[in-house]
Amino acid sequence: DAKTTQPNSMESNEEEPVHLPCNHSTISGTDYIHWYRQLPSQGPEYVIHGLTSNVNNRMASLAIAEDRKSSTLILHRATLRDAAVYYCILRGTSYGKLTFGQGTILTVHP
Amino acid sequence: GAGVSQSPSNKVTEKGKDVELRCDPISGHTALYWYRQRLGQGLEFLIYFQGNSAPDKSGLPSDRFSAERTGESVSTLTIQRTQQEDSAVYLCASSFPPGGADTQYFGPGTRLTVL
Repeated sequence: DAKTTQPNSMESNEEEPVHLPCNHSTISGTDYIHWYRQLPSQGPEYVIHGLTSNVNNRMASLAIAEDRKSSTLILHRATLRDAAVYYCILRGTSYGKLTFGQGTILTVHP
Repeated sequence: GAGVSQSPSNKVTEKGKDVELRCDPISGHTALYWYRQRLGQGLEFLIYFQGNSAPDKSGLPSDRFSAERTGESVSTLTIQRTQQEDSAVYLCASSFPPGGADTQYFGPGTRLTVL
């Protein structure tokens, strides 16, 4: 799987938008971009994924650069419950495992 | 429906003992994964089962680690002759179907402490 690069940590205030960046300059044409998050003392949970177009769901939005070499996870209004480690992961179409990097630790201040 | 469940939630054992960790995937999920997460670290892939295909064992760190899966249901991860470096949270996930867009659903994990 191609490598991703994320900032080690980010901070936000409650009810403000948060933009979590991810660089993946070696992405291949068939790699999907997945985001998972891990709340304290819990297993990871799926957030969102996309291939080429921007995606929205009830949890977040995913903005994908036109050249697909980077993407941004957008939390529109951060809550204290969004404090977690966020992982950006690339996955090809034929392999099931997820390759987790160190992720971004998001701290949300009240 | 029910999510992925794992048991026990916590396990404390002495160095050299064998342990078995259990995972019950979401019903109907054909793919099952085991990961390990050491304190303060990211997740490491251990093993992957997909239907009746041969499992991908490429992530198992040593021959002390093994896993089995009965059909498309329960899986057991066994660690023989445990060492202190085996202390970690062991996470199980399941999904259907495999591929680039499938979503993995994780269990709460088993925290293993080897004294």
